[in-house]
Amino acid sequence: IQMTQSPSSLSASVGDRVTITCRASQSISTYLNWYQQKPGKAPELLIYAASSLQSGVPSTFSGSGSGTDFTLTISSLQPEDFATYYCQQGYSTPYSFGQGTKLEIK
Amino acid sequence: QVQLVESGGGVVQPGGSLRLSCAVSGFTFSNFGMHWVRQAPGKGLEWVTLIQYDGGNKYYADSVKGRFTISRDNSKNMLYLQMNSLRAEDTAVYYCAKDQGYVYGHSFDYWGQGALVTVSS
Repeated sequence: IQMTQSPSSLSASVGDRVTITCRASQSISTYLNWYQQKPGKAPELLIYAASSLQSGVPSTFSGSGSGTDFTLTISSLQPEDFATYYCQQGYSTPYSFGQGTKLEIK
Repeated sequence: QVQLVESGGGVVQPGGSLRLSCAVSGFTFSNFGMHWVRQAPGKGLEWVTLIQYDGGNKYYADSVKGRFTISRDNSKNMLYLQMNSLRAEDTAVYYCAKDQGYVYGHSFDYWGQGALVTVSS
């Protein structure tokens, strides 16, 4: 299953609302997860099963979608949110990640 | 608290072998599937392999099938990745990661710090 994220990069300002899209090459129900990765660090889980917020993750993050189209929304960007974001499908092996979206400060 | 600590990374020549280990603590290891995920320098995340909670089933990415072997020792809370016939394109940071389970979308809730594997002559 191929996962395609858009955009590949994004410039935004603190306080902005941002949306990242992930599309699967076939239906994956809600087996879609989102991660944040900062340089030199391991990824961290933000959203699991398309729309459930992982414990400890700020409520400014939210996820939606099912089937093939999914979105990650950050409602009000904070300085610590500038990072790279990845989607990942857990529907069937080989599990696969999107290519990543790099969120940069405008 | 949950900890996953990888070891065994290093520099190896093309065609060589290396074994990564992941020491786990802070949760009941034998209840969860475990993964290896890698990231080539400056690139995105690539899923490598999964082993189910009891070691009964293993799955591999096509890029490593037949060369890499995942295993686990539930009595020691250890996960392993045996890498043979290494190629330059296997150069990456390798992460071990815990699977939350199908109810949680097979998401990876805990990750190790990563082990760098460099394949170079």
